[in-house]
Amino acid sequence: AQSVTQLDSQVPVFEEAPVELRCNYSSSVSVYLFWYVQYPNQGLQLLLKYLSGSTLVKGINGFEAEFNKSQTSFHLRKPSVHISDTAEYFCAVIERSNFGNEKLTFGTGTRLTIIP
Amino acid sequence: GAVVSQHPSRVICKSGTSVKIECRSLDFQATTMFWYRQFPKQSLMLMATSNEGSKATYEQGVEKDKFLINHASLTLSTLTVTSAHPEDSSFYICSARPVTGNYGYTFGSGTRLTVV
Repeated sequence: AQSVTQLDSQVPVFEEAPVELRCNYSSSVSVYLFWYVQYPNQGLQLLLKYLSGSTLVKGINGFEAEFNKSQTSFHLRKPSVHISDTAEYFCAVIERSNFGNEKLTFGTGTRLTIIP
Repeated sequence: GAVVSQHPSRVICKSGTSVKIECRSLDFQATTMFWYRQFPKQSLMLMATSNEGSKATYEQGVEKDKFLINHASLTLSTLTVTSAHPEDSSFYICSARPVTGNYGYTFGSGTRLTVV
C-alpha cells in the first residue's frame, strides 16, 4: 500500500488566492511527515516537517501544514500564493526499509501553477 | 544551514561509457546518504542507501553492478553509472542525513544524465 498519497497531480491557482495541497498517509507508517518543494531541474528544498508536538507546523515561504491523526492527513496550505510558488510539491514520510534502515518515501507530487 | 553539493549538474555521455556523480556534505558529517532517481514529471524513487565505511543497500529492482555506490568518508558519496545506456538517462538526486539532528535530510541540486 502507498505510504503517502497526494490526491492532486496538478493544482492551478490564481495569484494571491489561498491554496491547499492534500496529502494523506498510511496509518501503518511512522508519523514523521515532510513537505518538500522542487523547482525545475533542481533538488528538493524542505518546506516544513512534523515530528511531534503542535499539530500546526509553520514552514518557510509562508507555508504551513496541519497534522490530523484522525484523518491521517498532512495538508499543506498558504493563505496567499505568489508567482514564485510555481513548483512541484512533494509530501514525504519516514519508512523503514527491508534492511531496517530508515528512508524517506515520497508521494507522487503535486504541480502547483500560479496564474497571474 | 546544512548544504549538500552535487556534481556535475549536467552530463552527456556516450552509450557504453561510465559516469561518476559526486555528493558532498559541505558543513556537516553524514553517516548516511541516499541516492534517488527521478523520471520526468514523476516522483523520486530511492535507489540505494549509502553508509559510510560499509556496502550500500539497494532497493529492490536496482542493479548494484550497474549503479556502483561508494561512501568513503563522512562527507562524500559517489554514484557511478557503469556501461550507461539511453534508458539510464534520468535525473539523479542525492540526499544526506547528518550524524546528529532530527531527521534533517538535505538534498543536492541533482544531476541530469543524458546517454546518447
